[in-house]
Amino acid sequence: KAGVTQTPRYLIKTRGQQVTLSCSPISGHRSVSWYQQTPGQGLQFLFEYFSETQRNKGNFPGRFSGRQFSNSRSEMNVSTLELGDSALYLCASSLSAGQQPQHFGDGTRLSIL
Amino acid sequence: AQSVTQLGSHVSVSEGALVLLRCNYSSSVPPYLFWYVQYPNQGLQLLLKYTTGATLVKGINGFEAEFKKSETSFHLTKPSAHMSDAAEYFCAVRGDTDKLIFGTGTRLQVFP
Repeated sequence: KAGVTQTPRYLIKTRGQQVTLSCSPISGHRSVSWYQQTPGQGLQFLFEYFSETQRNKGNFPGRFSGRQFSNSRSEMNVSTLELGDSALYLCASSLSAGQQPQHFGDGTRLSIL
Repeated sequence: AQSVTQLGSHVSVSEGALVLLRCNYSSSVPPYLFWYVQYPNQGLQLLLKYTTGATLVKGINGFEAEFKKSETSFHLTKPSAHMSDAAEYFCAVRGDTDKLIFGTGTRLQVFP
């Protein structure tokens, strides 16, 4: 059974650009949640999607957005990138909404120059 | 509101020694508590969880944790460390809006 797949693994962008990250959950999992991991702030919840609807949102500016498709794949988008957006972005999937994530992807490492 | 405090950002043990990673929580509702492990360049893996019921929880790779309400603690232990246990460990509590709130992590080093 394939795990949570995140693409790309590494990404380098410059300030002001925008970026889209992709997450494919485990087959049959319908909930996808996103986390940002930085040395300074640690692991912080971004948002959770279930059945193509944002179910929960963390305390991040509106530059951070996401969506979920009918096949449960999810994307997150960050616009007008800032240096502080450099982080490891982790995606996790669960069978249903509100469950603690059991399976995480290996993340996308985003570096802003 | 919920929060988690992990005492000690780095813990070093010898192979075969007891592993003890400390976690204290704060929660206004009965807590759901979790331990995750993160190996270098990888995502997180769930080690174990406490929801309700038995306060001693056994997880994967020989780890276990005990929920102590009176001490608001959920410390992670393993009787005998292996080199392969070297990783970063995160304690987390599920908030009242289902969000996971993580501690700052403890990096475990295991020396031969």
